[in-house]
Order: sequence, then structure tokens, then C-alpha cells
Amino acid sequence: EVQMVESGGGLVQPGGSLRLSCAVSGFSLRGPWMSWVRQAPGKGLEWVATIVGDVSEKKYVDSVKGRFVISKDYAKNSVSLQMDSLTAEDTAMYFCAKVSTKSSFDYWGQGILVTVSS
Amino acid sequence: QTVVTQEPSLSVSPGGTVTLTCGLSSGSVSTGSGPSWYQQTPGQAPRTLIYLTNTRSSGVPDRFSGSILGNRAALTITGAQADDEADYHCGLYLATGIWVFGGGTRLTVL
Repeated sequence: EVQMVESGGGLVQPGGSLRLSCAVSGFSLRGPWMSWVRQAPGKGLEWVATIVGDVSEKKYVDSVKGRFVISKDYAKNSVSLQMDSLTAEDTAMYFCAKVSTKSSFDYWGQGILVTVSS
Repeated sequence: QTVVTQEPSLSVSPGGTVTLTCGLSSGSVSTGSGPSWYQQTPGQAPRTLIYLTNTRSSGVPDRFSGSILGNRAALTITGAQADDEADYHCGLYLATGIWVFGGGTRLTVL
């Protein structure tokens, strides 16, 4: 059974940093693309970042380029999102998602809340 | 900037049929962008319903179907049930590892 569990969220001040982790089980991280998708309160989904295959490429939405870094840790079978220089606009529920081979997402974590506020 | 448009809200009667659509602010949605649809109930993670325009994910009832209607992707629910009341998000695959989502449609079954 595939499970994906996010952790590391919480309240952070503007300009601060957080590191989100997504622990996965039921499949190996070697090979699958993995993404982070976020949802601001009362808003729709927003794709944030993808790590393509075995770290050959990393893609980011323009609004987080230069501030966020997505990575894989094969030893821990987890995906991380390092988030720096956070602003109020980054306040959202962050979901870890496994990319299927069919240009969509087939598994989702339950989400972790990030609140950026002073 | 690519903007994906969805109806903010729709309603359907139990047993009725409703079509949700997904368009681009400039241009047409085609099968090439692999439209996918996600259902989300309050406080829950999204659930993948449809991918590659019209392929149902495992376990998704066949009352959900996807298509291209004109220049938009479409999700049709035939024989709506009370537990179909949810937010529905459309996703389009733009390039390697890059997606864009619409603002979502809140579907009410009443």
C-alpha cells in the first residue's frame, strides 16, 4: 500500500525558513517523479515543484524559483522541500504528490500546513 | 502566464448530469496537455479521478467521464450522487515536470 506522510510544517515569520519532508512507503523513490503542490486557504491547487526522475532535473513555479529547493533522500525514502525567504503568499497547505507515468498525479499525501505570519 | 479557467461553482440535482469545464485564458486545451481532474472534499487531500483527458483512475465510478468539448477539457458526472459534492480541480501538463491548475469548481448536489 502506498503511503505518503508530510511533516515539518508550522508557523514561521516572514523571511524565515522551513523544511518539509514527505516520507513515502509502498514504492521506491528511485525512478518516480515527485512533486509538491500547495493550496492557499480557500483557493485552488498550485503546482510548486517537481523532481524529475533521479534528480536529473528540478522544476519550479516562477514564484518560488531561487527560494525553494526540492530534493530526494533515498536512504530515508523521502522527498523534501527546503523553503527560504518565506512570505505571507507562501501560506498554504502543502501536498506531496507522486507523478504517474501518465502526466498526472496518482498518489497524494494528506498535506501539511505552512503559515507565514509575524 | 498560463491561466486555467474553471466555473467557480455549479449545482446539480441528485441523479442529474453536470459538466465541468477547463479552459485556457489564451488558446485551446487539447489532449496534448493531458488534462486531469481531481476531486477534493473539505479537509482532505485531492483524489485523482481522470488522467490523459478521459482515463479513469482505479476505483473511480464510471459515472465520471472526461472529454474535450470544443476548446476545453470537460468532466461529466452522469447520475450525480450526494457524495459527489466536492471541489473539482483541473490540471494541465505544460512541459516536462510542469503543471498548472485551475481555480477549482465547487459542485453542490441539491
